[in-house]
Amino acid sequence: EAQVTQNPRYLITVTGKKLTVTCSQNMNHEYMSWYRQDPGLGLRQIYYSMNVEVTDKGDVPEGYKVSRKEKRNFPLILESPSPNQTSLYFCASSSSHRGLNSPLHFGNGTRLTVT
Amino acid sequence: AQSVAQPEDQVNVAEGNPLTVKCTYSVSGNPYLFWYVQYPNRGLQFLLKYITGDNLVKGSYGFEAEFNKSQTSFHLKKPSALVSDSALYFCAVRDYRDDKIIFGKGTRLHILP
Repeated sequence: EAQVTQNPRYLITVTGKKLTVTCSQNMNHEYMSWYRQDPGLGLRQIYYSMNVEVTDKGDVPEGYKVSRKEKRNFPLILESPSPNQTSLYFCASSSSHRGLNSPLHFGNGTRLTVT
Repeated sequence: AQSVAQPEDQVNVAEGNPLTVKCTYSVSGNPYLFWYVQYPNRGLQFLLKYITGDNLVKGSYGFEAEFNKSQTSFHLKKPSALVSDSALYFCAVRDYRDDKIIFGKGTRLHILP
């Protein structure tokens, strides 16, 4: 089954404790992206990647890191989480993003709470 | 800069009635427009898209959307609402020259039995 898999689904952590949210897709998609969803703000893009070893900042990249060492994986790293990063996070992917406008495929989300 | 607006936080419709969820956009070039739906505890699912061609686009679950260039709108419609259509709906826009996709803030659709 074609899917985007995020782990964990739920995560509670404390301020300053490094964490990684994993994202993996099995559709051989070039494009991958991370969003955060907050009430009243909709989805905001954190980082995106056009292909392996190519990453770019989205609209709200502060406090986050990403890497794209393999095509299928795009982990989101919070080096020193803070309470304002409490949110619902989504990973998404699509094929050959530029020019073809393929729709995004989303994971089921990771609900992160930072205390 | 590109932007998208969903003017209604919530829309209530009686089952069987037609529904409309509004979306307006702003891009400097030709727009690529999308609608996604989010059910509870799930990620967003693609419904339909407009790239070029016919202004009326048909998508999944009986939904359609009408592209109106003069009004810069891309409203989502369905002739007869179902209770199962109750969900959160997002409009998204991409300028064909840009790698970014901008999402609206979402509209919660309640279909009343």
